[in-house]
Amino acid sequence: DAMVIQNPRYQVTQFGKPVTLSCSQTLNHNVMYWYQQKSSQAPKLLFHYYDKDFNNEADTPDNFQSRRPNTSFCFLDIRSPGLGDAAMYLCATSPGVSSTDTQYFGPGTRLTVL
Amino acid sequence: GDSVTQMEGPVTLSEEAFLTINCTYTATGYPSLFWYVQYPGEGLQLLLKATKADDKGSNKGFEATYRKETTSFHLEKGSVQVSDSAVYFCALNTPGAQKLVFGQGTRLTINP
Repeated sequence: DAMVIQNPRYQVTQFGKPVTLSCSQTLNHNVMYWYQQKSSQAPKLLFHYYDKDFNNEADTPDNFQSRRPNTSFCFLDIRSPGLGDAAMYLCATSPGVSSTDTQYFGPGTRLTVL
Repeated sequence: GDSVTQMEGPVTLSEEAFLTINCTYTATGYPSLFWYVQYPGEGLQLLLKATKADDKGSNKGFEATYRKETTSFHLEKGSVQVSDSAVYFCALNTPGAQKLVFGQGTRLTINP
């Protein structure tokens, strides 16, 4: 089945220690998104890639970076995690950036910062 | 800016009850509207969507109609099951925005 895969499902890191979250897709979609979802809140878009074009949301902290080495993979790097970065991180894909396109979500990575 | 407002949760119902979760929106453009469902510990799954006024999205017994005149997209199901217990998010995407804007989510619990 075509899908969006996130690894690991659970990640524990220490305050200030860099961490990388991984997302891969078998849907061959052009667009990949990273959302942050804090407890009992709605997902909030951090940034997205349309093919190789990177689009950062204006209020995404510099501490968050992303890489997309090829169509299938996208990484979220948190350079110096703080306690406030503990959250569920959701990767999503869509065929294009039309407002009618469905976004397909992975299962998420739950990040704990000690 | 664009925004989505959902009815406050949590919502608790008995099995086979009728469900309505209200959703209204504010958008500068002509949005597409979505309902996503999130089961405990999982990511979001698309439940249904509608891309133009008066369209009805439906899936797994759930329905929602895009009402432009009332800027609403209320979710309904005639007879809920215990397995419907989850958090439901209403969302919109407007042309050029390139992102989903979500409501705050409504937690639904169905008791046997």
